[in-house]
Formats: sequence, C-alpha cells, structure tokens
Amino acid sequence: NAGVTQTPKFQVLKTGQSMTLQCAQDMNHNSMYWYRQDPGMGLRLIYYSASEGTTDKGEVPNGYNVSRLNKREFSLRLESAAPSQTSVYFCASSEAPASGRIRNEQFFGPGTRLTVL
Amino acid sequence: AQSVAQPEDQVNVAEGNPLTVKCTYSVSGNPYLFWYVQYPNRGLQFLLKYITGDNLVKGSYGFEAEFNKSQTSFHLKKPSALVSDSALYFCAVRDPGTYKYIFGTGTRLKVLA
Repeated sequence: NAGVTQTPKFQVLKTGQSMTLQCAQDMNHNSMYWYRQDPGMGLRLIYYSASEGTTDKGEVPNGYNVSRLNKREFSLRLESAAPSQTSVYFCASSEAPASGRIRNEQFFGPGTRLTVL
Repeated sequence: AQSVAQPEDQVNVAEGNPLTVKCTYSVSGNPYLFWYVQYPNRGLQFLLKYITGDNLVKGSYGFEAEFNKSQTSFHLKKPSALVSDSALYFCAVRDPGTYKYIFGTGTRLKVLA
C-alpha cells in the first residue's frame, strides 16, 4: 500500500497563476482532507470531504477549490495564486464508519511545498 | 468552540531523561484525542490516540499519553528520550459531531546527546 500520495512535491508559481494539487489514497477511506502548514500556526484545515460526493469548507477556504473526483482522489485547486498561499500543503485521509462514530486517526501524505512569487 | 493548546513551542531534554510534551483541550462532549509526530520534510505520522477506557494510552516508539479529564489535558510522555525522538509533535482533537480534526500549533522536541 502506498498510503496517501501527493503530487507535485514542490512547485513555484507566479502571482496569478493557477495550479491543482493532486492527492490519492489506496486505503479505501471515506474521508479526505486538505491542510496547510505555516510556521507557528500548526495545521489549518482548508477543505474536507466526509465521503465521496461531498465537500465542505474548513477554517481557511478562501482562494481554494476542491474536487472529490472519486473515493480515492481529492484535488485542491488554486485559481489565482497569491504570495499568502506560500505554504506546505498536506492531504490526509481517515476511515469514517457509516455509524458516524468517528474515532480513527488520519493518515497524511508527504506534502507539497508551494512558493508563490 | 473546540480548541487545542500546546503551550510550549520547544522542549529540550537530555538523552535518557524522561520527556513530557503538554497538550490541553477544550471540547464539548467526550473528546477523541490524538498525537502525531512530524520529522523534517515529512508528513505527520500517527503516534497514539485516546478514545475511551484507560487514562494511560500506549503508542508507537515507546510513547504514551495520559488523559486527565479534570485538567482537560493529554500530555505526551516517554520514560527515556532518544536523540532520534527530536521532531515536531502535534496534539489533535476530533470536533464532535463533525468530520473535522483540530490541531495544536505544535511543539518542537529537541533531545540533546
């Protein structure tokens, strides 16, 4: 099992450019998440998808869009990149039983380091 | 609002000494609590979790955590620190009634040889 994979690993954009960060998991997890990590601020949730076909905003959704393409894949799009979006982006997944009793830990990808000039 | 606090940005400990990384939480209802570790240029790795049951939870790499409901704390501990334990540690709590997890700001642990 590869777990959670993310592409690309590194990216440099100019202000105003667009790009899509890709995430895939092979653990048959229902829930997937996008976070950004900035020094001194921990992990902040951008968007999440509780299950295939649903997406919801997290703490810092402005400037981002997401697509839950299927159960395995969850992409994050920056339509018009800004320097404030320079960060390390992590995708994560977790099992979410149908019972709704969410007790399980998250599994994280290796991250994408994005620089916006 | 649900929240997690890690009051120390950095903890230094000598190799072989016990270590503690602190975490306090504020959540309505029963908390589901987690500890993760992040090594340089890597994603977060799960260490341990408290869901219910014994207040002392054992996890990976010899780490354990003590759940204290009255003090709303979930401190991470290890009896004897290794240099290889040096990393960034995150405490997290699941937001009850949602699929969201709330993370602390992280504590950098430095184990000195």
